Amino acid sequence: GNSVTQMEGPVTLSEEAFLTINCTYTATGYPSLFWYVQYPGEGLQLLLKATKADDKGSNKGFEATYRKETTSFHLEKGSVQVSDSAVYFCALSDGSSNTGKLIFGQGTTLQVKP
Amino acid sequence: DTGVSQDPRHKITKRGQNVTFRCDPISEHNRLYWYRQTLGQGPEFLTYFQNEAQLEKSRLLSDRFSAERPKGSFSTLEIQRTEQGDSAMYLCASSLEGVAGLKFFGPGTRLTVL
Repeated sequence: GNSVTQMEGPVTLSEEAFLTINCTYTATGYPSLFWYVQYPGEGLQLLLKATKADDKGSNKGFEATYRKETTSFHLEKGSVQVSDSAVYFCALSDGSSNTGKLIFGQGTTLQVKP
Repeated sequence: DTGVSQDPRHKITKRGQNVTFRCDPISEHNRLYWYRQTLGQGPEFLTYFQNEAQLEKSRLLSDRFSAERPKGSFSTLEIQRTEQGDSAMYLCASSLEGVAGLKFFGPGTRLTVL
């Protein structure tokens, strides 16, 4: 079946450091790919998405490129802030690409220190 | 647009009791999804509705779980004879048909089974 694998956390960085959180997937067909963020004490928020190969999703300085050849969707940010501390989830659409039925990774905790 | 709301936000119950959660989606959204998130894990799909029809149920949804969406508006998720393993955050999300991913999640209902 379809699945998502994320790098294990926690990831601890100093402010203004470069961030990469790795995400790889296994899927049949052509799923859409997503990154979600969960700030402490808050609900799940969609951060960015890409719906086809080579698409780049971006939002709030975060970027991820849909790489079909490596089945990856790594999240990057050039300069992290303390306010980026949160849990990040990679996800893919299960079945049709235009669906809310998603498979999530286990999450990666990011801690940014001043 | 007041977003997706869920009630209650927290529920503590004793093993063997029945509990019911409610989700109010964004009014014009015809799809409604239920997910479960246990501590340290990503959300897992449980079921979804298009209007009042329940279109898919996960194998995670045992016979003790039932969900309804009468009249295609709010939805309820009932768990009968709760077990300690049911302790989790239950998330609701809504969307329009044909949209990739889920942008609008509710705040969740945290269930603790003693």
